[in-house]
Amino acid sequence: AQTVTQSQPEMSVQEAETVTLSCTYDTSESDYYLFWYKQPPSRQMILVIRQEAYKQQNATENRFSVNFQKAAKSFSLKISDSQLGDAAMYFCAYVSRQGGSEKLVFGKGTKLTVNP
Amino acid sequence: ETGVTQTPRHLVMGMTNKKSLKCEQHLGHNAMYWYKQSAKKPLELMFVYSLEERVENNSVPSRFSPECPNSSHLFLHLHTLQPEDSALYLCASSQDRSGARDSPLHFGNGTRLTVT
Repeated sequence: AQTVTQSQPEMSVQEAETVTLSCTYDTSESDYYLFWYKQPPSRQMILVIRQEAYKQQNATENRFSVNFQKAAKSFSLKISDSQLGDAAMYFCAYVSRQGGSEKLVFGKGTKLTVNP
Repeated sequence: ETGVTQTPRHLVMGMTNKKSLKCEQHLGHNAMYWYKQSAKKPLELMFVYSLEERVENNSVPSRFSPECPNSSHLFLHLHTLQPEDSALYLCASSQDRSGARDSPLHFGNGTRLTVT
């Protein structure tokens, strides 16, 4: 079974600085998608960024980028120029592309605090 | 407007009560999901509906009973719950069952359930 591990329960960053959130996953599949979701105090989960495993190029979305290391099964999220609105829980997630049953498997999350 | 609306936002119920959680999506999606989010645990997928047909039940106790009368509405009927069922219950939708890969899940703001 696939598992997703986020080893940092909490992280903090100064406003305008850069922070990296770690995520590792375990799978025997070669074709899959990885995601980072953000959950602010409003509780709504919002997709931040998505990476397709067959693409070697790291995904970027404005101030958010990932470092995808397929061999190491690592998928970290880098937030540049951190803003107060970035404070939230961040969840790493995995979904298999193969098979008839497709589920998002989430990590336990990392709570990010942004200090002014 | 989040596109996925959940009511109520908060719910406190006794173990002998019967209550229902409601989810409505305004996105024209064909698949809907119930997730359970407990403190310090990964999100757990409970049920998946595709075109109003339940396609997945992740070993959820029978005290949780889902209902999907149409593609826009999803209910979670609750009865004789236990205190350990206290959690945030999140509803999500996607264009279709493969939406987790090809298009993001859209989440509601959740219902915070407390069982006393």
